[in-house]
Formats: sequence, structure tokens, C-alpha cells
Amino acid sequence: AQSVTQLDSQVPVFEEAPVELRCNYSSSVSVYLFWYVQYPNQGLQLLLKYLSGSTLVESINGFEAEFNKSQTSFHLRKPSVHISDTAEYFCAVSEPGGSYIPTFGRGTSLIVHP
Amino acid sequence: DTAVSQTPKYLVTQMGNDKSIKCEQNLGHDTMYWYKQDSKKFLKIMFSYNNKELIINETVPNRFSPKSPDKAHLNLHINSLELGDSAVYFCASSLGRTGGADGYTFGSGTRLTVV
Repeated sequence: AQSVTQLDSQVPVFEEAPVELRCNYSSSVSVYLFWYVQYPNQGLQLLLKYLSGSTLVESINGFEAEFNKSQTSFHLRKPSVHISDTAEYFCAVSEPGGSYIPTFGRGTSLIVHP
Repeated sequence: DTAVSQTPKYLVTQMGNDKSIKCEQNLGHDTMYWYKQDSKKFLKIMFSYNNKELIINETVPNRFSPKSPDKAHLNLHINSLELGDSAVYFCASSLGRTGGADGYTFGSGTRLTVV
């Protein structure tokens, strides 16, 4: 069975600083990996995903994540954050060829201070 | 145009009451879901319908009953509400049968508070 661990429940950072949100997964088969963002009082939005191919994937708003199979990780990074990036970030994993239903991590709250 | 819309956004009700939450998607997706997000932000799938057919029914009390009149709508009816039902309920949809590579589109949530 798949599982996802987001080690940090909260990450405070100053505006324009770099940030990394950590995600580790456990699965016995190949996986699809996702990052979702949830802004206050809103639903989750898909930020980026890894399915296959290049291990580095990017979003349109400057976030990127790298799939590392040996470390079973899919950390999310941004070189310079904005106040508007303050949100909850969820990592999710699903197993192609299995049920495909994703398992979500417990979320990391990114708090960007001015 | 809202892709996945839920009503109501907030719902405050007394223990023992029966309530419904409605969800509609205009994306042409085949599959819809209900998720429950608890106070610690943990997301747990409850149900999934593919083209009006129930395909996922997780361990959820039978007080919760989903209804899908057509593939664009998935409603959630809850009988005999309990304090522990207080949570945010999210509707979601996906193009494929279980999301697969496409990921999900979520609604903005219904915050249910049982008093």
C-alpha cells in the first residue's frame, strides 16, 4: 500500500527567500506524484505532477519538484517566494496499474512573512 | 465559470439532523468524488462515482449516502448528524475512471459544523 509523509507541518519563511517543502512516499511499484495547493477557504488545486520522463517538473508560478526514486522523494522548491504563496501544500501519490486513487499527505503550511 | 461547485459553502446544524450537500461539475468529467478533510487537514476519500456508477465506497458510516443523478452531479446526504461529522467536505472530479494521470479538480468545500 502506498503512503505519503510530509515531514514539516509548518514552514515559515521570509518573502523572496528560497523554500523547500519535503515529501517522501512509500510504494512497492511505480508511482505518479502530485503536488496540490490549497489557498485559505478554497479547494485544492493541482500545482504540478510527475508521471514519467524528466524527473524535474515545473509549475507556471515558479515552483518545481524533483522525483528522486532512490530516496523515494518528491520535494517541492521555489527559489524566491511571494506573500501570495502562503497556503497549504499537499503531496499525493497514486499507483498506475493499481486503483489510481491518490493518497494524500497531511499537508505543509507555508507561511510567507514580509 | 466555476468548474466544480458545491453548495452550501457553510452548514451549521444540530446533532441528529439530516442534511445534504450538492456538487456539480461542468468539465465533462466522467468521475466524481467526495473527500472529508478533518481538523488536522487530513484528506480521506469517502466515495467515487463513475458515470453514475458507485466505484469506491470506503469505510464510511451508512448514515452517509451519495447520490448521482447524472455524471455531472454528485450529492451527499447525511442522516442523524453527529459531532464527529464536523469537517470540510470536498467534491472533486476527474476525467478518467479514478483520476490516473490527470489529477483531480476540487470544489471549494463545504464546512459542516454539528453543534
